[in-house]
Amino acid sequence: GAGVSQTPSNKVTEKGKYVELRCDPISGHTALYWYRQSLGQGPEFLIYFQGTGAADDSGLPNDRFFAVRPEGSVSTLKIQRTERGDSAVYLCASSPRGPNEQFFGPGTRLTVL
Amino acid sequence: SQQGEEDPQALSIQEGENATMNCSYKTSINNLQWYRQNSGRGLVHLILIRSNEREKHSGRLRVTLDTSKKSSSLLITASRAADTASYFCATDASSGNTPLVFGKGTRLSVIA
Repeated sequence: GAGVSQTPSNKVTEKGKYVELRCDPISGHTALYWYRQSLGQGPEFLIYFQGTGAADDSGLPNDRFFAVRPEGSVSTLKIQRTERGDSAVYLCASSPRGPNEQFFGPGTRLTVL
Repeated sequence: SQQGEEDPQALSIQEGENATMNCSYKTSINNLQWYRQNSGRGLVHLILIRSNEREKHSGRLRVTLDTSKKSSSLLITASRAADTASYFCATDASSGNTPLVFGKGTRLSVIA
């Protein structure tokens, strides 16, 4: 079946602009996670949803970052007033209820000029 | 912050040789997983070992877990050029759906 998809695959924006990154999880997966990966590092947790609600947003670096999952499926990560330090690959993952094996999307590479 | 440290940071071997990567972590865990990543994009789940397990096999992969030393190892036997990738360990602290904490990864190069 279809895996996790993320759009766009690449996003180039200018400092100060607003961006939205989209994640389509595997159908039926209740948990959805956002991670951020900088060059040469492992992914770092940002926020996780169980259904429609954010179960843990402790990884969001500051209030410029926000994520929603209004219908418990697709999620959007929103970054306001982007900064050059926000440049990274943003990864989305989903998992079914119970086992914590997470299925990752291909990521969105964000470049802030 | 990242939980684990993989060792070595980079590993280069000849095709057919075995590759061993190690991971150390800091806090108590529920599960430890290994993931593979090609070209800095999506991660692929390889294997999950629970905190009450000591060893697990899957095809050419063998994972060990030593909770007393807070460490794990991933062994890839009879490596192939297609195994070239970055390998990450990831831990979670409780049962069910929880965020994973990743190490920095080991970059494996398998030379044909």
